[in-house]
Amino acid sequence: AQKVTQAQTEISVVEKEDVTLDCVYETRDTTYYLFWYKQPPSGELVFLIRRNSFDEQNEISGRYSWNFQKSTSSFNFTITASQVVDSAVYFCALSVRDNYGQNFVFGPGTRLSVLP
Amino acid sequence: DAGVIQSPRHEVTEMGQEVTLRCKPISGHDYLFWYRQTMMRGLELLIYFNNNVPIDDSGMPEDRFSAKMPNASFSTLKIQPSEPRDSAVYFCASKSTSGSSYNEQFFGPGTRLTVL
Repeated sequence: AQKVTQAQTEISVVEKEDVTLDCVYETRDTTYYLFWYKQPPSGELVFLIRRNSFDEQNEISGRYSWNFQKSTSSFNFTITASQVVDSAVYFCALSVRDNYGQNFVFGPGTRLSVLP
Repeated sequence: DAGVIQSPRHEVTEMGQEVTLRCKPISGHDYLFWYRQTMMRGLELLIYFNNNVPIDDSGMPEDRFSAKMPNASFSTLKIQPSEPRDSAVYFCASKSTSGSSYNEQFFGPGTRLTVL
């Protein structure tokens, strides 16, 4: 079975601080995809990144960066120089190909509050 | 493309009433997912379809819930009879298994359901 753990339920930082959101996943599949989604206070779910299990290169997009380490089954997300607009709930998700076709599992989310 | 469209955006109903939530996936997407989000349980996958066929409905909480996808551009999630504990935000998502956004789920804005 697949599982995604986000141990940090809530994090508060002051603007301009760096913050890392942790994600640990479990799967027996060798082919899988990892995702991060952002859910701002307005409620919609916004896609941030997708990474497949064969690509361990870290990725940077502006102030966002992701560290994928298969050895520790982790896919952590770092926001550099955080801003108030980064305040949201962030979800890590795992997708594998199950017997039916696809399976998608979300972590419980981490609520990030960036204080001015 | 307009993205995933859900209606209504908000629904308030009384216990015992039938509720129908609607979703129009992104054109060309072959998977459609229904999720429920609550504070207590987070994001839960209720059911998903592949090419209009229900693949896994193990997440549907009970027989009061049913989902259909009569064609590639429309799906409904019905609750009959509704109960206060069904109050939640219901998201619809779709994805394509081809193209550059392979495996990324695109979410609709959600329907906030309140059962009094």
